[in-house]
Amino acid sequence: QKEVEQNSGPLSVPEGAIASLNCTYSDRVSQSFFWYRQYSGKSPELIMSIYSNGDKEDGRFTAQLNKASQYVSLLIRDSQPSDSATYLCAVRGYGQNFVFGPGTRLSVLP
Amino acid sequence: KAGVTQTPRYLIKTRGQQVTLSCSPISGHRSVSWYQQTPGQGLQFLFEYFSETQRNKGNFPGRFSGRQFSNSRSEMNVSTLELGDSALYLCASRQETTNEKLFFGSGTQLSVL
Repeated sequence: QKEVEQNSGPLSVPEGAIASLNCTYSDRVSQSFFWYRQYSGKSPELIMSIYSNGDKEDGRFTAQLNKASQYVSLLIRDSQPSDSATYLCAVRGYGQNFVFGPGTRLSVLP
Repeated sequence: KAGVTQTPRYLIKTRGQQVTLSCSPISGHRSVSWYQQTPGQGLQFLFEYFSETQRNKGNFPGRFSGRQFSNSRSEMNVSTLELGDSALYLCASRQETTNEKLFFGSGTQLSVL
């Protein structure tokens, strides 16, 4: 059974701080890694994808991947109350289905 | 471009009944996948269809089935409903072959009484 694990939270950070979200996965042949954001009552939307070891930055978001440790993270700099949502980590092997983690609920306090 | 459309938005059924959910993908997207979302289990993969063929299937009982039509629209059927089937059912579409971005619909909230 391929698994993706995340701390369920809630993770509370003050406005302007860095939020750090973590994810581990069990399938070593996973090739593609994603972070989705899901606001309460809404459907998930893709915010970051990463395929190679290292960091990938997009605005206030940085995804980090370490395949040796089977670990992927998402950093949100200058956190805003509008970032309050559940963040889902997803992993995919070549030709396989997407496996989602349970999500981490982030709360950014004004 | 219209997004992924799921109907109906809400459904209330009783145990033992069956239900059919519908999903229309974004125009040009030929891959459609279905997920079950519950507070305890998160997003669980049900199945994926591409060009009317089931490509992957998750670990769900045979009561859960699906199909895809030539226009890429997809339906999901659950027979002999159980209380534990109460969940949000999400459909997602994506372009093939190299694009892995999933576009989700608003979902169908199914309540089984």
